[in-house]
Amino acid sequence: QVQLKESGPGLVKPSETLSLTCTVSGYSISSGYYWGWIRQPPGKGLEWIGSIYHTGSTYHNPSLKSRVTISVDTSRNQFSLNLSSMTAADTAVYYCARNTLGDGGVDPWGQGTLVTVSS
Amino acid sequence: DIQLTQSPSFLSASVGDRVAITCRASQGISRYLGWYQQTPGKAPKLLIYATSTLQSGVPSRFSGSGSGTEFTLTISSLQPEDFGTYYCQHLNTYPLTFGGGTKVDFK
Repeated sequence: QVQLKESGPGLVKPSETLSLTCTVSGYSISSGYYWGWIRQPPGKGLEWIGSIYHTGSTYHNPSLKSRVTISVDTSRNQFSLNLSSMTAADTAVYYCARNTLGDGGVDPWGQGTLVTVSS
Repeated sequence: DIQLTQSPSFLSASVGDRVAITCRASQGISRYLGWYQQTPGKAPKLLIYATSTLQSGVPSRFSGSGSGTEFTLTISSLQPEDFGTYYCQHLNTYPLTFGGGTKVDFK
C-alpha cells in the first residue's frame, strides 16, 4: 500500500521560503511515476504546484513563476518542495501526491499539511 | 494552459436522485480527465480516471463519460456519503489544472 506523508513548518513568515518534504512508503520513487505538490487555500479549490519525475525532470505551474523548486532524494524515498517569497496568499493546505500523465490520475494523496504565512 | 470549467458550482439534491456534473475544457484533452471527491478536512479521493475508468473500490453508482472538451460525472443514485465537493482535472499535458469544484449538498 503506497502512502505519502508531508512534513514541514506550519507557520512561515512573509518573504521567507517554505520547505516541505514528502516521505513515500510502500513504493520506491525510483521505480517510476511523477511525484507532485498540490495546494488548497482555506475554503477554495485545488491548485497544482508542480511535479517531478523519478529521473529528476520537473514541471511547475507557470503562475508561480520561478518561486518553485522541487527536488527528489531517491536514497531516502522523499521529494521536496521549496516555495520562496511567501505571502499571505500562499496560506493553504499543501498536499503531496503521486501522479501520472495521460491515463491515470493523482493517487494516492498525503493527508495534507496546513501552512500559514504570518509574522 | 488548459482551463477547466465545472457546472454547476453548487448542487442540492435528495438521496436517490440522479446527479450529473459537467466539466468543459478550453481545448481538446482526448480522454485524459479525472474526477475527485473531497469531504471536509480530507484529501481528495480519485474516483474516475481516463474519463470513465472507475478507481478500485469506487461504487458502481459513479460513472464518467465524454471526450475531447466535454465530460460528465454521473451519480446514478445519490447516497448520504456522497456529500462533498467534486473536482475534475485534466492530465493531458503539463501544467495540470483542476476545475473550480462542484459542492453537493443534501436537500
